[in-house]
Amino acid sequence: DGGITQSPKYLFRKEGQNVTLSCEQNLNHDAMYWYRQDPGQGLRLIYYSQIVNDFQKGDIAEGYSVSREKKESFPLTVTSAQKNPTAFYLCASSRGAKDTQYFGPGTRLTVL
Amino acid sequence: AQRVTQPEKLLSVFKGAPVELKCNYSYSGSPELFWYVQYSRQRLQLLLRHISRESIKGFTADLNKGETSFHLKKPFAQEEDSAMYYCALIYSNYQLIWGAGTKLIIKP
Repeated sequence: DGGITQSPKYLFRKEGQNVTLSCEQNLNHDAMYWYRQDPGQGLRLIYYSQIVNDFQKGDIAEGYSVSREKKESFPLTVTSAQKNPTAFYLCASSRGAKDTQYFGPGTRLTVL
Repeated sequence: AQRVTQPEKLLSVFKGAPVELKCNYSYSGSPELFWYVQYSRQRLQLLLRHISRESIKGFTADLNKGETSFHLKKPFAQEEDSAMYYCALIYSNYQLIWGAGTKLIIKP
């Protein structure tokens, strides 16, 4: 499966702690995305980045932060301000704005 | 507001039977729609998009603007089609809205 990697696969966090999810791609894609998936719901966009050093909020950005210092990397930080962080998080990338998105395997975050 | 609805959470059909996974959308502009699929233990991947008008793994989907639908069809289901299927709509550059998904089970 190469292409997009996410780590860790499972992550446990205590309430009040920040945690960072890793996403790396070797597809040379300009755009990268973070989604949240909850049971019975579709994917919801947290943040996206069109290009290095640029990113925009998606539909549910509150309590999350990102950076895009390298083309290959788009880490997501789940802060203590996120009220309900337990979820499955998916990272994706694409060549351009309306191109096919390629997904990583996901990280399941559980807040204890 | 833009919205994508997949009315069936679960669809179970016998092998060899026709399959139709429903997707309805609400969008004021010119829609661009996708079907993504997630097989067991695999990552989410594109199945097809309406602008390419392709048939992938025997699946087709026709955009019906009058009924605001983009149903996914296959005439003869195979066991390997069992998966989770998601319909998605591009509503802005880089931004998709996703349906909640339909779990398709093909019974032998």
